[in-house]
Amino acid sequence: QVQLQQWGAGLLRPSETLSLTCAVYGGSLSGYYWTWIRQSPGKGLEWIGEINHSGSSNYNPSLKSRLTISVDTSKNHFSLRLTSVTAADTAVYYCARKRGADVWGQGTTVTVSS
Amino acid sequence: IQMTQSPSSLSASVGDRVTITCRASQTIYSYLNWYQQKPGRAPELLIYAASSLQSGVSSRFSGSGSGTDFTLTISSLQPEDFATYYCQQSFSTPLTFGGGTKVEIK
Repeated sequence: QVQLQQWGAGLLRPSETLSLTCAVYGGSLSGYYWTWIRQSPGKGLEWIGEINHSGSSNYNPSLKSRLTISVDTSKNHFSLRLTSVTAADTAVYYCARKRGADVWGQGTTVTVSS
Repeated sequence: IQMTQSPSSLSASVGDRVTITCRASQTIYSYLNWYQQKPGRAPELLIYAASSLQSGVSSRFSGSGSGTDFTLTISSLQPEDFATYYCQQSFSTPLTFGGGTKVEIK
């Protein structure tokens, strides 16, 4: 059974870079898109972007200028990097498998505050 | 693609039949997924491809629709079903979610 475990810094100051990693256990990166989704406090869900095992990615245009999603097949994990964060980036960030997200990470709470 | 869910909240009793609707701003064929989210938890996939029940999900959940109009139905509401439900289109990027429907106890 595939499981996702994610980690990364939870407290950032404005203008810093958010970095999160999601490791895939019990399965391979091959054959799926791997997704990042976030949820601002008390709000709905926002799709951030996705990547497949060969590195082909798609980003939300609202974040594209600040966003990089990468994959490391040797470590069986994928990562998110969001530069120049502001308070608006405060959210719970989730990694997930597939566009119809059937497996989710546990979520990482990221707070941006000076 | 904009996804519009209705209602944004509803109150219902255990045993009630509950229907939530989701409308896409353009055709998404059957690329529509439904999720359930409980407080402090990651969402869980209930229905994919508009009407396919995700493995392990109770058969009291069902989905229907195609094109632009979709429905999630809970045939007989159970205590564990009180949660927030989201639709999501996976037809084209950026993937987008509906605003959510909070199902509360009446």
